[in-house]
Amino acid sequence: ETGVTQTPRHLVMGMTNKKSLKCEQHLGHNAMYWYKQSAKKPLELMFVYNFKEQTENNSVPSRFSPECPNSSHLFLHLHTLQPEDSALYLCASSQVGGTGGRTGELFFGEGSRLTVL
Amino acid sequence: AQKITQTQPGMFVQEKEAVTLDCTYDTSDQSYGLFWYKQPSSGEMIFLIYQGSYDEQNATEGRYSLNFQKARKSANLVISASQLGDSAMYFCAMREGWGSQGNLIFGKGTKLSVKP
Repeated sequence: ETGVTQTPRHLVMGMTNKKSLKCEQHLGHNAMYWYKQSAKKPLELMFVYNFKEQTENNSVPSRFSPECPNSSHLFLHLHTLQPEDSALYLCASSQVGGTGGRTGELFFGEGSRLTVL
Repeated sequence: AQKITQTQPGMFVQEKEAVTLDCTYDTSDQSYGLFWYKQPSSGEMIFLIYQGSYDEQNATEGRYSLNFQKARKSANLVISASQLGDSAMYFCAMREGWGSQGNLIFGKGTKLSVKP
C-alpha cells in the first residue's frame, strides 16, 4: 500500500456531470491538501485540512467542494465544471507539529487526471 | 511577484554527468524552508531534499545536494552522476515561517532529460 493513493487516476466528464475524486493517506498524518496542476503553471494550492478542519480555501470556485470525513480521507466533489478545469489534481498529506519535526514535507499521491469536455 | 523562480524550462544532461537545476526565491521572512520535488511521468511528486534557512551546511541526500546561497536567495539542486531514471520534472518549493506548519509554494518546474 503506497503512502497516498488517489482514485480515479483518470476521469473524463461533461460540464453537467457530478463526480468525486478520492484520496486516502496511510501515513498517520494530520494534514491533507488538494493541489491543481495545469500545464505550464505552478502547482496551485486549493484546500488544506488540519485535523479534519478546513484551514485554507484558496479562492477556489464553488463548483469544487472538498470533504474531509477523517484525517485519512479527503474528497473533492466536482459539479458543473468548465473545460479550463481540466488538469492534474494532486492530493498530499503531511504531519504538522509534534512528531512532524522541522521539515513537514508533503507526501503526494499520483494524481487524478481530469478532462472536462 | 513570483515567490519561486525556476528559469530553466528544460535541461539536457549526459548520463553519469552532474547537472545543476536553478531556483531563486523571494521572501521577507527570516525563517523558511526550501524543498525540491521530482515528478516523473507517472504524476507522483517525490520529495528529494530539504534546506532550512538557518541550516549552516548545505543539505545532501545521496546523489542530491542543495547549493544554498542565502544572500543571493538561491537554492540550486545538484544531481551528481545522472541516471536515465532521473529524467523527470523537478520543482523547487518554499514554506515561509518556522516549523512544519504552512503551505508550500511551488515554482513552474524544470524538465530534465538524461541522454544515454
